[in-house]
Amino acid sequence: GENVEQHPSTLSVQEGDSAVIKCTYSDSASNYFPWYKQELGKRPQLIIDIRSNVGEKKDQRIAVTLNKTAKHFSLHITETQPEDSAVYFCAASITDKLIFGTGTRLQVFP
Amino acid sequence: DVKVTQSSRYLVKRTGEKVFLECVQDMDHENMFWYRQDPGLGLRLIYFSYDVKMKEKGDIPEGYSVSREKKERFSLILESASTNQTSMYLCASSPLQGGQETQYFGPGTRLLVL
Repeated sequence: GENVEQHPSTLSVQEGDSAVIKCTYSDSASNYFPWYKQELGKRPQLIIDIRSNVGEKKDQRIAVTLNKTAKHFSLHITETQPEDSAVYFCAASITDKLIFGTGTRLQVFP
Repeated sequence: DVKVTQSSRYLVKRTGEKVFLECVQDMDHENMFWYRQDPGLGLRLIYFSYDVKMKEKGDIPEGYSVSREKKERFSLILESASTNQTSMYLCASSPLQGGQETQYFGPGTRLLVL
């Protein structure tokens, strides 16, 4: 069936370093790819999204890249800060719903 | 500012009980969703609704039902709670039909079934 694989499941980086989280999806018809951040004890919130007619999108320290041919997309966080510590979920649209990845726990150490 | 609220933050129920989880959104959104969140499994879609009285099965609908009598309210029902339904339940809404818009999540209900 349709699925989204996300790697790694945990990621530890030093403050100031970059972090990259990768996702692959199975349905070639998917055309919307959001990323959600969930801080401890809080609700998931959208941080960035990309549509299939775009290869890359940036918003300050975060960027997302999409390779439709290979069916994978990635989240890039530069100059990480302790407040970036959270669980990050990727997702891909399948007709009228989203399929989420299993999440990546990012820890940024000062 | 979109607000999605859920009736309880924490709930403890006994096996076999009927459980109602309520979700309300105040932004006149068309779509509403129920997910469960389990460690290592991410967010899994239980049911969703794109209109009043309409419902669609998600990826894990077994053991659950839903009700959407009013546009702003979407209820998740566990007909006979079981221990494997112990989980965090998240409600979400989005403005347009189709899975291609921002979803706004509620704070979650942590359900423990004993």
